[in-house]
Amino acid sequence: GAVVSQHPSRVICKSGTSVKIECRSLDFQATTMFWYRQFPKKSLMLMATSNEGSKATYEQGVEKDKFLINHASLTLSTLTVTSAHPEDSSFYICSARGLGSDGNQPQHFGDGTRLSIL
Amino acid sequence: AQSVSQHNHHVILSEAASLELGCNYSYGGTVNLFWYVQYPGQHLQLLLKYFSGDPLVKGIKGFEAEFIKSKFSFNLRKPSVQWSDTAEYFCAVNAWGYNKLIFGAGTRLAVHP
Repeated sequence: GAVVSQHPSRVICKSGTSVKIECRSLDFQATTMFWYRQFPKKSLMLMATSNEGSKATYEQGVEKDKFLINHASLTLSTLTVTSAHPEDSSFYICSARGLGSDGNQPQHFGDGTRLSIL
Repeated sequence: AQSVSQHNHHVILSEAASLELGCNYSYGGTVNLFWYVQYPGQHLQLLLKYFSGDPLVKGIKGFEAEFIKSKFSFNLRKPSVQWSDTAEYFCAVNAWGYNKLIFGAGTRLAVHP
């Protein structure tokens, strides 16, 4: 149980393109979803937290207009990288947490999306 | 600000050797603690977690971790590693009242047969 599906797994596109990444919880309802960015040989950096039906909470230094997050249902969140540039190339990972007290439910992770901007 | 420190970035062991990966966090209040594992080409998976109670937590695949509050530590251990334990291991902390996990930088473990 507790499967999170992330799509696509890999994207290669030209500079200036907008890219949408989907994160779905397949067998549970995710009240909260998280978006991370992982740099090579570095840890996961939390970009934003999204709760179903409300605006995402962005971490300091993350551009809201650049990384648009939508969490329209209890099973789907999307991250759109708008007008992507080569410096946005990275590994993006989503996670989902089910119902329960904050922190008392573990996060379940997607497989990640490798984004390469040419 | 909360932070998590993992002392070893790379660990190389032979099969059957014992493993201990260090994890320290900085936060004075109550915390939930996690170890996640990422096998090559796979997503992050929960290895074990501590919320309360017995500070010695047993997880999957023979792993265990001990929460020592006075040392702000949550070290991961396994008495005898296998080649299949080759992976990257992440320690993570969630402070009560904060709706997010803070991850350590990860430890890459390579086990040679």
